[in-house]
Amino acid sequence: SAVISQKPSRDICQRGTSLTIQCQVDSQVTMMFWYRQQPGQSLTLIATANQGSEATYESGFVIDKFPISRPNLTFSTLTVSNMSPEDSSIYLCSADGGISYNEQFFGPGTRLTVL
Amino acid sequence: AQSVAQPEDQVNVAEGNPLTVKCTYSVSGNPYLFWYVQYPNRGLQFLLKYITGDNLVKGSYGFEAEFNKSQTSFHLKKPSALVSDSALYFCAVRDYYGGSQGNLIFGKGTKLSVKP
Repeated sequence: SAVISQKPSRDICQRGTSLTIQCQVDSQVTMMFWYRQQPGQSLTLIATANQGSEATYESGFVIDKFPISRPNLTFSTLTVSNMSPEDSSIYLCSADGGISYNEQFFGPGTRLTVL
Repeated sequence: AQSVAQPEDQVNVAEGNPLTVKCTYSVSGNPYLFWYVQYPNRGLQFLLKYITGDNLVKGSYGFEAEFNKSQTSFHLKKPSALVSDSALYFCAVRDYYGGSQGNLIFGKGTKLSVKP
């Protein structure tokens, strides 16, 4: 299994600013994913990030708002740009199980509050 | 399109009693099914999965789930609940169709509350 860490664990930000969330995996993985979990809601997939290619965004999410980097097989970043209070959520990084793509493992999440 | 439904927002059980958290799914091809648990202020932890084979799948912490193809269900069960099992449980499905896998889609979650 993969162990995933995220930084920061939480942050409080002002409207109009941007925050970059870092995700580190303890082993090489093919695919990494970013999810949003709004208060009391389920997880919604934002985008899938493969190393060496542009991220693939789900409907309702755009690169200008949520730029993603994937510089190598163990690391990814998600930036939440020009934030508004509606962006207040938990952002979760996830990675496939390496050899066993069937499983996905999740980081502890980043709790973002936008004032 | 694939989807997953968890019909109960909350399940309440007494400690020591059996518990069931329900999940039904809809896919175009073959389903890959998963259960995750989320404790307060924590990320998601993988509990168990069904890919193929035996319909009864055993996972972490004494949980098990039964795949029922005719009813398109994958209910999570435990014979004897513990107070420490209280958490938010998510069912998830991935569609395997046409030789490729879809994204992991989550249900809305079911809050399990186990009382002493």
